[in-house]
Amino acid sequence: DVKVTQSSRYLVKRTGEKVFLECVQDMDHENMFWYRQDPGLGLRLIYFSYDVKMKEKGDIPEGYSVSREKKERFSLILESASTNQTSMYLCASSYPGTSGFSSYNEQFFGPGTRLTVL
Amino acid sequence: DQQVKQNSPSLSVQEGRISILNCDYTNSMFDYFLWYKKYPAEGPTFLISISSIKDKNEDGRFTVFLNKSAKHLSLHIVPSQPGDSAVYFCAASAINNDMRFGAGTRLTVKP
Repeated sequence: DVKVTQSSRYLVKRTGEKVFLECVQDMDHENMFWYRQDPGLGLRLIYFSYDVKMKEKGDIPEGYSVSREKKERFSLILESASTNQTSMYLCASSYPGTSGFSSYNEQFFGPGTRLTVL
Repeated sequence: DQQVKQNSPSLSVQEGRISILNCDYTNSMFDYFLWYKKYPAEGPTFLISISSIKDKNEDGRFTVFLNKSAKHLSLHIVPSQPGDSAVYFCAASAINNDMRFGAGTRLTVKP
């Protein structure tokens, strides 16, 4: 059974703080993703990574950065938290496709971190 | 620009009846489509998928239909059960492209 865990279920931070969200998967997946989920907007991709030390911007990378030093761990960093970053953050992982990075494979999601920035 | 749209934010059906969730997409390059189900306080879980070479895929009570010319897909749940109450996300992807998700539809199945 694939397991994706996220370091916190709920987090409250203050504006301007640096925030770290950690994600760990135990299935040796190459691909890892960070999304945020907002009402009426669904899941929007922030960053993804298809290998250690590799990262690619998604649709909404502004205000975020990521780190992938080990295959199983993908961290999302809010450099200076702002109130508009209050959201549910979801991490996911997947196997790569036969053509290298491929989005055909189902993604396995963690339970999410609800971040509130005051 | 939302490339995957779920225009119904919510749907309520009676237990035992059919639930039909709809999804439209705009990018003609999408060729693989997935449905995810999300319970409160949990991450989305994969439910069913369909490749663009098919127009139907069935898995137990769940069937996904794809109409490529209309850029439309739907998820049918028959019969609906109270445990099916969740938020359903439609997702679409193309080779070497990111997966795109819709806004979700909250399904409530009443006993």
